[in-house]
Amino acid sequence: QQPVQSPQAVILREGEDAVINCSSSKALYSVHWYRQKHGEAPVFLMILLKGGEQKGHEKISASFNEKKQQSSLYLTASQLSYSGTYFCGTEFGGSARQLTFGSGTQLTVLP
Amino acid sequence: DSGVTQTPKHLITATGQRVTLRCSPRSGDLSVYWYQQSLDQGLQFLIQYYNGEERAKGNILERFSAQQFPDLHSELNLSSLELGDSALYFCASSVESMTDTQYFGPGTRLTVL
Repeated sequence: QQPVQSPQAVILREGEDAVINCSSSKALYSVHWYRQKHGEAPVFLMILLKGGEQKGHEKISASFNEKKQQSSLYLTASQLSYSGTYFCGTEFGGSARQLTFGSGTQLTVLP
Repeated sequence: DSGVTQTPKHLITATGQRVTLRCSPRSGDLSVYWYQQSLDQGLQFLIQYYNGEERAKGNILERFSAQQFPDLHSELNLSSLELGDSALYFCASSVESMTDTQYFGPGTRLTVL
């Protein structure tokens, strides 16, 4: 039950905004967002929990629609440093806890 | 620098061989996670250990095993290696649970020839 990310790729100019979506067909307990630059390890951005709790960086915003089993990551006034591949990881409740990652959204910010 | 260390950085080996990847978590973190990242399969969760005990299992093959030692470092053992096992293997750590922030190590790039 890999989550589906959209779009697969997006190209922006510095200062523009972008939204990355992550959808699941199963009820979610939490959604995790990571950014990975080429050749580097993923870096934590945000966790959104069922019930509304969020943990993350102040400059990143995201939403979690429990009814639609969907999360969106909002990147506003993008900077060159935002370039990378964004992954969402979904966690389902119950005893079998694990993170299942989407295939990633490649974001390129141009000057 | 996340505070998570992994050794070795690169590993080249032959099919059928066995290798061990090592991970030291951030100071104070009790949970260790192992992930595999390959071009065709993306980022996949393999296994989580918490304070020495296995807590969650993902898409980990039977040829692979892991453990976490009393000093909290962890090792991932990969045996009977196949070409398809070539990938980046990341270790991450968090304070306790899956809903805590995970900090990723720099990874070990495994190449199976």
